[in-house]
Amino acid sequence: AQKVTQAQTEISVVEKEDVTLDCVYETRDTTYYLFWYKQPPSGELVFLIRRNSFDEQNEISGRYSWNFQKSTSSFNFTITASQVVDSAVYFCAQPMDTGRRALTFGSGTRLQVQP
Amino acid sequence: GAGVSQSPSNKVTEKGKDVELRCDPISGHTALYWYRQSLGQGLEFLIYFQGNSAPDKSGLPSDRFSAERTGGSVSTLTIQRTQQEDSAVYLCASSPQVTDTQYFGPGTRLTVL
Repeated sequence: AQKVTQAQTEISVVEKEDVTLDCVYETRDTTYYLFWYKQPPSGELVFLIRRNSFDEQNEISGRYSWNFQKSTSSFNFTITASQVVDSAVYFCAQPMDTGRRALTFGSGTRLQVQP
Repeated sequence: GAGVSQSPSNKVTEKGKDVELRCDPISGHTALYWYRQSLGQGLEFLIYFQGNSAPDKSGLPSDRFSAERTGGSVSTLTIQRTQQEDSAVYLCASSPQVTDTQYFGPGTRLTVL
C-alpha cells in the first residue's frame, strides 16, 4: 500500500511569515495523483489541490504554492505571507493503492499563525 | 451548488446501541466514500461506493459496521452494538466520475458513552 509521511506535527509562525509544510510519499505507481486538504477548526476537510505526477511544474494559487519533486518523492506546500485564517491542520494524501480511489492520508501538520 | 451534507452533526449514544449516520453526496457524483477520524488513528478509510459496482468494504474495522447506498445517491453507515472505541468523527466524501478529487462533508461526531 502507498504511504504518506508528514513529519512536522505542529508549526507555529507569526503572521506574514512564509511557511512550508512537508509531504513525502511512497508509491509503486508510475502515474499517480497527490492531494492537499485543509481542515480548519470548524472540522470540515477542504480540498486545496490535486496534482498529476505527469506534471512536475510548480503550481501557485494566490499565496499558496506547491513544489512537486519526483526525485525526492516530495510534494511540499508553501504559504506565503501567512495569515491567522491559515491556522488549520493540513493533510497530504494519495490513493491507497493502484487502481483504488480511496485516499490514504498523512498524519497532518497543525499550523498555528499568531497575530 | 450544494456540497456534501451529513446528519446528524453530533450523536451521543450508549454502549451497545445501534447508530445510523447519513450522507447526502453532491448531486451527480458517482463515487461516495466513508472515512473515520479519531485522535489515535488519524484519517482512516472505511468503505467506497462507485456507481453500481460492488462496494470496496476493505476498510471496515469489524462486522458491526455496514453501509449501503440507495439509488446511487444517499448513503447510510450503520454501526451495531457500539463500543467506546467507535467514538470518532465520521466523514463522508463524494467525487465525480472523471476525477479522483473528493469533496468532504462536515462530518458526524459520534460519542459512545
